[in-house]
Amino acid sequence: QKEVEQNSGPLSVPEGAIASLNCTYSDRGSQSFFWYRQYSGKSPELIMSIYSNGDKEDGRFTAQLNKASQYVSLLIRDSQPSDSATYLCAVNPPAGTALIFGKGTTLSVSS
Amino acid sequence: SAVISQKPSRDICQRGTSLTIQCQVDSQVTMMFWYRQQPGQSLTLIATANQGSEATYESGFVIDKFPISRPNLTFSTLTVSNMSPEDSSIYLCSVKQGPYEQYFGPGTRLTVT
Repeated sequence: QKEVEQNSGPLSVPEGAIASLNCTYSDRGSQSFFWYRQYSGKSPELIMSIYSNGDKEDGRFTAQLNKASQYVSLLIRDSQPSDSATYLCAVNPPAGTALIFGKGTTLSVSS
Repeated sequence: SAVISQKPSRDICQRGTSLTIQCQVDSQVTMMFWYRQQPGQSLTLIATANQGSEATYESGFVIDKFPISRPNLTFSTLTVSNMSPEDSSIYLCSVKQGPYEQYFGPGTRLTVT
């Protein structure tokens, strides 16, 4: 069974710190990986996508992918209270058309 | 990214009734999906809405309970039939743009009493 695992948290960091969110996936053939941010009462918003091993940076966000370890992470630098949300890791399995989601990690950034 | 709208945004329904949720996209998309997000939970795929043919349902979801229509490349409906309180959830329409990226509509918050 295809699975995407995340620590549910909550992960609490002070304002200005680096928040590190982790995700593992079970299907070794998966090719594309995503991070969504979901504020309470809102729908998920795509914030990062990564397709090859290594790091991908976009502003304060860095996604990291290690296919050998089947591991994806999201780093948020200079965390702000507005980053407080649930972060969902999603994986596109090799034979699938729809994304499979982890349970999400709740991040709380305190000012 | 595509602009996705859903109607209704929320509804409160009585047990045993049905509700049809509409999803409209501002551009043609090949892949449309319906997800459910129960309170405090992550997203669970209900089905893939196929244009011009029957939807493809995931394990645990059946057509009699969740009939789906996809008459064209910009529109789909999901019906939640014979509702029970366990159907109280947020229902999300999602589209795939390009080969990989998926985007979500604002969701429909359903409460069944």
